[in-house]
Amino acid sequence: GESVGLHLPTLSVQEGDNSIINCAYSNSASDYFIWYKQESGKGPQFIIDIRSNMDKRQGQRVTVLLNKTVKHLSLQIAATQPGDSAVYFCAEGEDNTDKLIFGTGTRLQVFP
Amino acid sequence: GAGVSQSPSNKVTEKGKDVELRCDPISGHTALYWYRQSLGQGLEFLIYFQGNSAPDKSGLPSDRFSAERTGGSVSTLTIQRTQQEDSAVYLCASSSSGNTIYFGEGSWLTVV
Repeated sequence: GESVGLHLPTLSVQEGDNSIINCAYSNSASDYFIWYKQESGKGPQFIIDIRSNMDKRQGQRVTVLLNKTVKHLSLQIAATQPGDSAVYFCAEGEDNTDKLIFGTGTRLQVFP
Repeated sequence: GAGVSQSPSNKVTEKGKDVELRCDPISGHTALYWYRQSLGQGLEFLIYFQGNSAPDKSGLPSDRFSAERTGGSVSTLTIQRTQQEDSAVYLCASSSSGNTIYFGEGSWLTVV
């Protein structure tokens, strides 16, 4: 079946540094990808999304890059802050299903 | 309310008992999803409702799991004869079709 997975289960970064969280996907028919942030004890929170016809999208302190050739997705967080500490999930979806498939998640730890 | 509301937030039940989990989606959202998240794991799709269409039940793990959505709004996820492996966070989400999926805070189920 189709799957979305992450390369690194845990990422530790120093406050102020940039973070890069990676995600590999296998469904070439995906129409869009979404990054979610999940803090301890809370539900996932939308961060940013990207359509499959794009290769880059920027938000506030975050950038998502999509490389369809190698089926790779990344989330870049600039000037990482302690409040960025959370588990980050990538998810993929198709327009004709509206159903998101999630990866396992990467835990981001920010230390002073 | 402004967001997706789930109840109860925490539930401890004895093995073999039935449980009902409730979800109040964002007003006006036609799509409603249930996901399950085991400790330290990703999100597992369970079921998806879209308007008056037949629900996508492809993710329900067994016939002990069922869900309904009354009046196109509130949804109830029912787990019959609960087992210890059912212990997880059950997350509900809603969206306007084709747009961002917003999650609730989840119902934490513990089967003892």
